[in-house]
Amino acid sequence: AQSVTQPDIHITVSEGASLELRCNYSYGATPYLFWYVQSPGQGLQLLLKYFSGDTLVQGIKGFEAEFKRSQSSFNLRKPSVHWSDAAEYFCAVAKGKNFVFGPGTRLSVLP
Amino acid sequence: DTAVSQTPKYLVTQMGNDKSIKCEQNLGHDTMYWYKQDSKKFLKIMFSYNNKELIINETVPNRFSPKSPDKAHLNLHINSLELGDSAVYFCASSSGQFNQPQHFGDGTRLSIL
Repeated sequence: AQSVTQPDIHITVSEGASLELRCNYSYGATPYLFWYVQSPGQGLQLLLKYFSGDTLVQGIKGFEAEFKRSQSSFNLRKPSVHWSDAAEYFCAVAKGKNFVFGPGTRLSVLP
Repeated sequence: DTAVSQTPKYLVTQMGNDKSIKCEQNLGHDTMYWYKQDSKKFLKIMFSYNNKELIINETVPNRFSPKSPDKAHLNLHINSLELGDSAVYFCASSSGQFNQPQHFGDGTRLSIL
């Protein structure tokens, strides 16, 4: 069955530290890939997307993600985390009529 | 100016009641969605409409009925509410189907007493 996994339920980092959130998918072919962020009490906001081409994509708020076909991964990174980045992060995959969100990773930021 | 707006933001009601949640988007998108987010933050798609036509209808109890009077609106009506319906319901829209980024409303928190 097609699925999206985010192995880390909760990650805590210090402000200014680097961040990597993991996302893996199981689809037969390369799907469309997305990262969304959800701040408390808010809807989801798109950070970045990958459709094809350059496997390193830049997004908003200083985030980037790298698509690795061999690992079926699309990990999200940020070189220096800010306190305002504390939120829930969702990886999502679209293929044909299927659109699936991962279970999410909660990011906490220590001052 | 809100791109995707849902009303109400909070809905507290008793078991067995019928309620509706409204959604409107002013982005000119032709596809709209309803998602349910449970207490563990898990997001599941419920319905999707493209140009007022139902194109996704996941395994959802038939107590849930979406209605799209036009491309800019997708309302969700729920009959005979049950305790397990307590969740946050999100409306979203996109230009084109599934493989395009979706814009989300702020959610409607439904609490069943």
